[in-house]
Amino acid sequence: GAGVSQSPSNKVTEKGKDVELRCDPISGHTALYWYRQSLGQGLEFLIYFQGNSAPDKSGLPSDRFSAERTGGSVSTLTIQRTQQEDSAVYLCASSESGGQSGQPQHFGDGTRLSIL
Amino acid sequence: AQKVTQAQTEISVVEKEDVTLDCVYETRDTTYYLFWYKQPPSGELVFLIRRNSFDEQNEISGRYSWNFQKSTSSFNFTITASQVVDSAVYFCALSEARRGAQKLVFGQGTRLTINP
Repeated sequence: GAGVSQSPSNKVTEKGKDVELRCDPISGHTALYWYRQSLGQGLEFLIYFQGNSAPDKSGLPSDRFSAERTGGSVSTLTIQRTQQEDSAVYLCASSESGGQSGQPQHFGDGTRLSIL
Repeated sequence: AQKVTQAQTEISVVEKEDVTLDCVYETRDTTYYLFWYKQPPSGELVFLIRRNSFDEQNEISGRYSWNFQKSTSSFNFTITASQVVDSAVYFCALSEARRGAQKLVFGQGTRLTINP
């Protein structure tokens, strides 16, 4: 079956611009996660969505970052007024359920974001 | 706070050698999950295994085996008779079994190179 799909695969933009990254999770997966992978910081958790519950935004690095998940499926991560330190690979993952279940997270190929 | 340490930044071996990747973790919780992921050059994180904190049985899957020891807070990964296709970055990760986000805390990764 189809895995987690992310778009675009690469994005180059100028400092100060806004960007939107999209994630389409595996069908039927209720939990969705965003992570960021950068050379200096490794893999970091950003935000988590589970069903209709309020998202866990505890990993977002600043208020320039926001995310939404429409209809319990597709998610969009938005970065406003991008800075060079935002350059990283943004990874989306989904799992059958979240919380205490320990279900493995399945990752997409990521979006490589470069801020000039 | 949770922490995962992969002390080996890079490992290089010749094909057919056995190789062990070390993972040491820290958590205050008694219930948690441990994971290994593989990241080949293509970039996608591939789930390999999940272990819960109550199951210390070692596991073998083909050429892969995992040794979980709570007494030393370690979850090591061994590849037997390594092959060139095993070349990748391997990540160990930890999540706590609690309500809310099952955030993965990743180690820094070990880059494994298998030379022909």
